[in-house]
Amino acid sequence: KAGVTQTPRYLIKTRGQQVTLSCSPISGHRSVSWYQQTPGQGLQFLFEYFSETQRNKGNFPGRFSGRQFSNSRSEMNVSTLELGDSALYLCASSLAAVTEAFFGQGTRLTVV
Amino acid sequence: QKEVEQDPGPLSVPEGAIVSLNCTYSNSAFQYFMWYRQYSRKGPELLMYTYSSGNKEDGRFTAQVDKSSKYISLFIRDSQPSDSATYLCAMSVLVDTGGFKTIFGAGTRLFVKA
Repeated sequence: KAGVTQTPRYLIKTRGQQVTLSCSPISGHRSVSWYQQTPGQGLQFLFEYFSETQRNKGNFPGRFSGRQFSNSRSEMNVSTLELGDSALYLCASSLAAVTEAFFGQGTRLTVV
Repeated sequence: QKEVEQDPGPLSVPEGAIVSLNCTYSNSAFQYFMWYRQYSRKGPELLMYTYSSGNKEDGRFTAQVDKSSKYISLFIRDSQPSDSATYLCAMSVLVDTGGFKTIFGAGTRLFVKA
């Protein structure tokens, strides 16, 4: 069974640009969560989608947004990129239970 | 004060040692307690989860939760070089939107020397 797939794996963007990251969950999983991981702040929750609805949101500015499609695939968008947005962005999917979340390998975003 | 505190290490042990990794938390509402392992350049991988005080064992790994002290631990017996990774604790609570709020610890880097 295929795991969680995130694309692209690596990305370099310039300050002020916007970026879209993609996550394909495990087949049958309806919950997709996004996290930002940095050396200083660790793993921080961005938002969670379940059946195309945002169910939870972390404490990030409105420049961070996401959506989920009917096939459960999810995208997150960051507008007006800042240097501090450089991080590993991780997506996790689960059937429903928080205790069974499976992570993708992440997208490494570098903002220059 | 962070909701979940975890010593980032690094922790270096010889092969075969018993490893103890710990987290403390402040929010008594947390209901689920997880441990993840993350290898370099990979996403976290769920190792174990529990939702009650006490011990849960899976092979060489034992997860321990003490809700009265707000303290959780992960023990690794007969540690191997392949256990070298970052170990993250995570805790979740159901929120009124129907989903969960999950907070991760900072992660402890573990090195097991052959």
